[in-house]
Amino acid sequence: QVQLVESGGGVVQPGRSLRLSCVASGFTFTNFGMHWVRQAPGKGPEWVAVISYDGNHEYSADSVKGRFTISRDNSKNTLYLQMDSLRPEDTALYYCARATAGVSSWRPMEVWGQGTLVTVSS
Amino acid sequence: EILLTQSPATLSLSPGERATLSCRASQSVGTYLAWYQQKPGQSPRLLIYDASTRATGIPARFSGSGSGTDFTLTISSLEPEDFALYYCQQRNNWPPIFTFGPGTKVDIK
Repeated sequence: QVQLVESGGGVVQPGRSLRLSCVASGFTFTNFGMHWVRQAPGKGPEWVAVISYDGNHEYSADSVKGRFTISRDNSKNTLYLQMDSLRPEDTALYYCARATAGVSSWRPMEVWGQGTLVTVSS
Repeated sequence: EILLTQSPATLSLSPGERATLSCRASQSVGTYLAWYQQKPGQSPRLLIYDASTRATGIPARFSGSGSGTDFTLTISSLEPEDFALYYCQQRNNWPPIFTFGPGTKVDIK
């Protein structure tokens, strides 16, 4: 079945780095744009970044621009989020999500993982 | 930056009633509007995309309408499992930046 499994979360000090991974299965990974979305405790979802099906184009929210980098390895069916210069306000559950099918990679999030928790605290 | 507002913040209804949720964008988003449902402890679930297209497996009681700046999610007859949080989401035409609304909670009256 279609599945996304995130990993790499944990507790990290402010200013440090963390890399999240998301392994996809059950669908042709190379056919879809992929997103990272986060959700702070008790808050609504916040979109973080999106990457095209081939990894050649990506876009991110202003709140993480210059600090977070989305990438993918299509040979490994894996999506990544490199998070640098972490701040306490980056504390959240981070979801990877697959875009809906379509010609464009820039589609809404149809399939979601269960998330991995990132806590930024000293 | 396009901002989304959702109303009401909370909607208290009984099973079997009709729910009408509103989402308004600060500027036109065309039909780049999606709706999600989220229950406690669960990931969001896509209900509607492109303003009015039901996602795979979504029951017909869920429908979306609107274009430009004003959008509506309608649940024609609430089932017990429909009591949840609902978020709208838009995508800029270009660059493709996505934004979620603050949400509407549908709870049991």
